[in-house]
Amino acid sequence: KNEVEQSPQNLTAQEGEFITINCSYSVGISALHWLQQHPGGGIVSLFMLSSGKKKHGRLIATINIQEKHSSLHITASHPRDSAVYICAVRMGGGADGLTFGKGTHLIIQP
Amino acid sequence: IAGITQAPTSQILAAGRRMTLRCTQDMRHNAMYWYRQDLGLGLRLIHYSNTAGTTGKGEVPDGYSVSRANTDDFPLTLASAVPSQTSVYFCASKPEHGTGELFFGEGSRLTVL
Repeated sequence: KNEVEQSPQNLTAQEGEFITINCSYSVGISALHWLQQHPGGGIVSLFMLSSGKKKHGRLIATINIQEKHSSLHITASHPRDSAVYICAVRMGGGADGLTFGKGTHLIIQP
Repeated sequence: IAGITQAPTSQILAAGRRMTLRCTQDMRHNAMYWYRQDLGLGLRLIHYSNTAGTTGKGEVPDGYSVSRANTDDFPLTLASAVPSQTSVYFCASKPEHGTGELFFGEGSRLTVL
């Protein structure tokens, strides 16, 4: 079973700060997902990546397959970015092959 | 309906009662999943269905059953609810082809007393 560790568990920052959330996993994967969950809300897929880097607006996700590590960055953070960010890894095979991290709770203060 | 719809959004239930959480999607996705989300534990897979007519057990299937009579619907049933099944339940779906992205419903918050 793949172990997925996210850090930090909780993060509070000021509006405009550059945010980094980290995800490490223990076993080789085929892909990694970053998900966003707003308080009381549903879960939205932000990125799926298997190598390199992806960018969408102010969000950037990177992955280093050799080091079994991924980061999610938020530039020019805004209070609406406040949410729980969840990392999930796909090993392939099985029901859906996804193992989820426990999430990083991000609060951006104005 | 657009995407995935779950019902009810919230329910309080007495222990021992039977409860069905409904999940409907209009995206014609083959694969559907039920997860529970508990504080400190993250999302855990309960049951899944890769296509209509088939189902399988996930990580925490005990006390739950599912059916997949057609592509659109994937109900989750608690035959006799227990307090440990108090949780937030998410239904999700995935298309057969594409990036492997999961699409989630808004969640159903269930409290068993």
